[in-house]
Amino acid sequence: DTGVSQNPRHKITKRGQNVTFRCDPISEHNRLYWYRQTLGQGPEFLTYFQNEAQLEKSRLLSDRFSAERPKGSFSTLEIQRTEQGDSAMYLCASSLVQGSYEQYFGPGTRLTVT
Amino acid sequence: KQEVTQIPAALSVPEGENLVLNCSFTDSAIYNLQWFRQDPGKGLTSLLLIQSSQREQTSGRLNASLDKSSGRSTLYIAASQPGDSATYLCAVRGGNNRLAFGKGNQVVVIP
Repeated sequence: DTGVSQNPRHKITKRGQNVTFRCDPISEHNRLYWYRQTLGQGPEFLTYFQNEAQLEKSRLLSDRFSAERPKGSFSTLEIQRTEQGDSAMYLCASSLVQGSYEQYFGPGTRLTVT
Repeated sequence: KQEVTQIPAALSVPEGENLVLNCSFTDSAIYNLQWFRQDPGKGLTSLLLIQSSQREQTSGRLNASLDKSSGRSTLYIAASQPGDSATYLCAVRGGNNRLAFGKGNQVVVIP
């Protein structure tokens, strides 16, 4: 059983560039979540999918952010025209839609915008 | 909006002492509560999940209690070890399916 994986693990980009992150959930999990965590804070919810449908988006997810899960398996999170305030750890989690709905997290992608 | 608070923000204990970490939340209408461990620069590892109908969960040296009506949970770590040094995060899941996190308890266990 390979847990949740995320790529890349680290990304350094210049302000104004676009970046894309990938998340591969646990294979049988049909829910996938994205969170953002800044230094010294707990993770904050961004969005979640059930299969390929994006069911909820936080107001933190500005127009520059877009997330997809085209085939209900892996997901991508794209940030356009990055700003220094986007520097954070981006965490992905997955869960089943039954039982405890326990969320399992990946290792995260650390984004640094210079 | 659900607010989750963790006290204390940071603590240091000598090896062998028991750890007591507190979490409080403002909206008692939760489905479950999870405790996570996070090492510096790493992702989150789930430690325990307590359903809203449960009062406690145990795993090895870890025990978590839940008092839903008063909006509180406590994580006990028995006989702490240096390897327990990490940040411990409490998160509650409400009807909107998102997890609301506290800022964490940063723990250092001194050998």
